[in-house]
Amino acid sequence: QVQLVESGGGLVKPGGSLRLSCAASGFTFSDYYMSWIRQAPGKGLEWVSYISSSGSTIYYADSVKGRFTISRDNAKNSLYLQMNSLRAEDTAVYYCARGRKVIGYWGQGTLVTVSS
Amino acid sequence: QSALTQPASVSGSPGQSITISCTGTSSDVGGYNYVSWYQQHPGKAPKLMIYDVSNRPSGVSNRFSGSKSGNTASLTISGLQAEDEADYYCSSYTSSTPFGGGTKLTVL
Repeated sequence: QVQLVESGGGLVKPGGSLRLSCAASGFTFSDYYMSWIRQAPGKGLEWVSYISSSGSTIYYADSVKGRFTISRDNAKNSLYLQMNSLRAEDTAVYYCARGRKVIGYWGQGTLVTVSS
Repeated sequence: QSALTQPASVSGSPGQSITISCTGTSSDVGGYNYVSWYQQHPGKAPKLMIYDVSNRPSGVSNRFSGSKSGNTASLTISGLQAEDEADYYCSSYTSSTPFGGGTKLTVL
């Protein structure tokens, strides 16, 4: 069965950095686009970034462009999100998700809190 | 403000049918058959309910159906059940803002 398990969330001060990881299993990871989608407390869903199966195509939302970097390691079945220059408005649950046009599977999410 | 517009809330009684709309533009909803719908219960990850406008993934109840007319997509839930109470999000990946703002469904 498909599993996506995020890790790396936590409390960080404004201006700080955090790296999220997502361990994938139950499918051929290298065949799929992967995405990071976030949800601020009490708010809706926001697509943060996606990466193609080979890593050659990458998209970032304007709100994180220049600060966040998505990457993947197909040998390790892992997806990453490096988050720098974090702001209070980046506080959210971050979901690892399989797909781009259609998100068929979601992880359970990891909470990132940016606060002094 | 989301580029995909959904009503903030809808409600219905058990056994009734409800419809949630998702209005976009000819550049997203109206131009492509790439509309998806997700259900999210409190504290849980979203779940795919409908993809490519009207297709149901395996395991999703046939009480859930999707359609599209012009720039507006719709999710219809028939035979409402208490467990359907959740937030629902539409998505069109070609949109400048790929997710709608979400609709809270209350089962009375």
